[in-house]
Amino acid sequence: DTEVTQTPKHLVMGMTNKKSLKCEQHMGHRAMYWYKQKAKKPPELMFVYSYEKLSINESVPSRFSPECPNSSLLNLHLHALQPEDSALYLCASSHSNRVSYNSPLHFGNGTRLTVT
Amino acid sequence: QQQVKQSPQSLIVQKGGISIINCAYENTAFDYFPWYQQFPGKGPALLIAIRPDVSEKKEGRFTISFNKSAKQFSLHIMDSQPGDSATYFCAASRDTNAGKSTFGDGTTLTVKP
Repeated sequence: DTEVTQTPKHLVMGMTNKKSLKCEQHMGHRAMYWYKQKAKKPPELMFVYSYEKLSINESVPSRFSPECPNSSLLNLHLHALQPEDSALYLCASSHSNRVSYNSPLHFGNGTRLTVT
Repeated sequence: QQQVKQSPQSLIVQKGGISIINCAYENTAFDYFPWYQQFPGKGPALLIAIRPDVSEKKEGRFTISFNKSAKQFSLHIMDSQPGDSATYFCAASRDTNAGKSTFGDGTTLTVKP
């Protein structure tokens, strides 16, 4: 089992709904990430938090709103999504935001999101 | 300069055979080269990784070979098993590019019994 826990595992939402994805890690990591993964494609970076501050936003539409309440928790708030936003949303963490041999990425198992 | 090109896109190997997946990169500043294994319905998991000052890294049946001058690295899976059937992603990152990893497009490996 992964040490990065994501809930829910599956989510179906309408285009007018508001929902949130949650991620938790207890490895003491200070960097946390949101990735989006479409079928048969590599993960695409969305956001990076370092020491609970947003350090990278990869030009993600504002209908995705990240939040890092503390060093162990990461949320992704969803509002007015489009069907093309349907994907696997992965959370990851690393010791620092310098992904390296000594600070590798640890991924969760993702939330499978379907937007109807 | 940020691309990592991975091949083949898919690979079918008989049980007990050797699986080889290749990646090529352009940015000589990359200093960390991990391989991830992803099963259906799961997130990617770090399988094995190498730094550019090492030419080979072996962990059990999995070996990374690294050719710095050719800017290529490859994953070899010895004695491939049906349980190795998964999608494999190579990646590269550099310490100064905080938080960003560049992924290959992935290889779907099927090991036939």
